[in-house]
Amino acid sequence: AQSVTQPDIHITVSEGASLELRCNYSYGATPYLFWYVQSPGQGLQLLLKYFSGDTLVQGIKGFEAEFKRSQSSFNLRKPSVHWSDAAEYFCAVGARNAGNNRKLIWGLGTSLAVNP
Amino acid sequence: GAVVSQHPSWVICKSGTSVKIECRSLDFQATTMFWYRQFPKQSLMLMATSNEGSKATYEQGVEKDKFLINHASLTLSTLTVTSAHPEDSSFYICSASWRTNTEAFFGQGTRLTVV
Repeated sequence: AQSVTQPDIHITVSEGASLELRCNYSYGATPYLFWYVQSPGQGLQLLLKYFSGDTLVQGIKGFEAEFKRSQSSFNLRKPSVHWSDAAEYFCAVGARNAGNNRKLIWGLGTSLAVNP
Repeated sequence: GAVVSQHPSWVICKSGTSVKIECRSLDFQATTMFWYRQFPKQSLMLMATSNEGSKATYEQGVEKDKFLINHASLTLSTLTVTSAHPEDSSFYICSASWRTNTEAFFGQGTRLTVV
């Protein structure tokens, strides 16, 4: 079955420290992978996506993610975290539903807190 | 990026009444729109997928007669929660995408509270 696992429910880092958020997926075909960020009172914003090609993907706000097929992972990284990065982060994989429409399968999210 | 506007941002309604939520793509034609429900501190649950001019495809366990979805134009989809009950209180989010592109853009969400 298709699924996305984000092992860390909550992570706290200090401002300026590096960050890695883990994401593992289960999908039979070549996946389309996404990372979204959800800030309080705001809509979901796409940080980056992987469709094909270079397995290291650069996104907005200084984030990057690496697709590792052998590990079925798509971990999100940032070298230096800013206080404004505190938010909920969701990993998702693109799939098809019963009507052959594209849909996203979501992880449960990782809540990031940043200490000053 | 493309803009998706969702209205209202929040709504409080009495139990037994119906509530309509609108989702508009402001600067692109959305051939496909998605409706999600998000419970506090949880992930997004896809409720249904709608293609313009077609009936929505509902996910397993989602009541079609309870959550009516209409996608009559390329820029507007609506979700109507019929005969709302307190257990329908939740955060509803729409997203939209266009053909040949698997990226979807999200609305700000609607907080529904049924009292």
